[in-house]
Amino acid sequence: DVKVTQSSRYLVKRTGEKVFLECVQDMDHENMFWYRQDPGLGLRLIYFSYDVKMKEKGDIPEGYSVSREKKERFSLILESASTNQTSMYLCASCIAGPSPLHFGNGTRLTVT
Amino acid sequence: QKEVEQDPGPLSVPEGAIVSLNCTYSNSAFQYFMWYRQYSRKGPELLMYTYSSGNKEDGRFTAQVDKSSKYISLFIRDSQPSDSATYLCARGRAGGTSYGKLTFGQGTILTVHP
Repeated sequence: DVKVTQSSRYLVKRTGEKVFLECVQDMDHENMFWYRQDPGLGLRLIYFSYDVKMKEKGDIPEGYSVSREKKERFSLILESASTNQTSMYLCASCIAGPSPLHFGNGTRLTVT
Repeated sequence: QKEVEQDPGPLSVPEGAIVSLNCTYSNSAFQYFMWYRQYSRKGPELLMYTYSSGNKEDGRFTAQVDKSSKYISLFIRDSQPSDSATYLCARGRAGGTSYGKLTFGQGTILTVHP
């Protein structure tokens, strides 16, 4: 079974802090993704990566950056956390091509 | 108009009922479709995926795609309390680095009561 592991289940940060969310997958998948999930808005794509050191913006990249230095690891960075970034963050991975995403269990981030 | 529209519910049914969950989509490029189930405080897990029009069955679950009317459905037969979850439809577009970039519906909250 594919395992996508997000390092934290819950995080509480203060406004203005730099926040790192980490994600690791164990199936040698080429593609990795960061989504955020909010009530009434569903899942929205922040960034994705289709190869090491490669990244593309998703639908809502503002206020976020990403890093992929190794194939199995994809990090989401909030440069200066704001209260409107309070959300559930979901990492996912898949093989190249039209294939289903495998999700981690999410990190619930609260910014106060 | 959103690319994928899904009625958020909530939907409440008795155990044993047939459940119908529906989504519409607005883009006609080559694409593929998925249904995910998400339990509380968990990530979404894949239930079904399909590339073509028609029906696909897996146990009590049937996914249906009607590309002419841009409609996708998930049917759950003999629903169980353990089916209580949020169901998410998703559409993926093919081509280049677009693979894997899914667009999700809002999700439908389903409760199956004993």
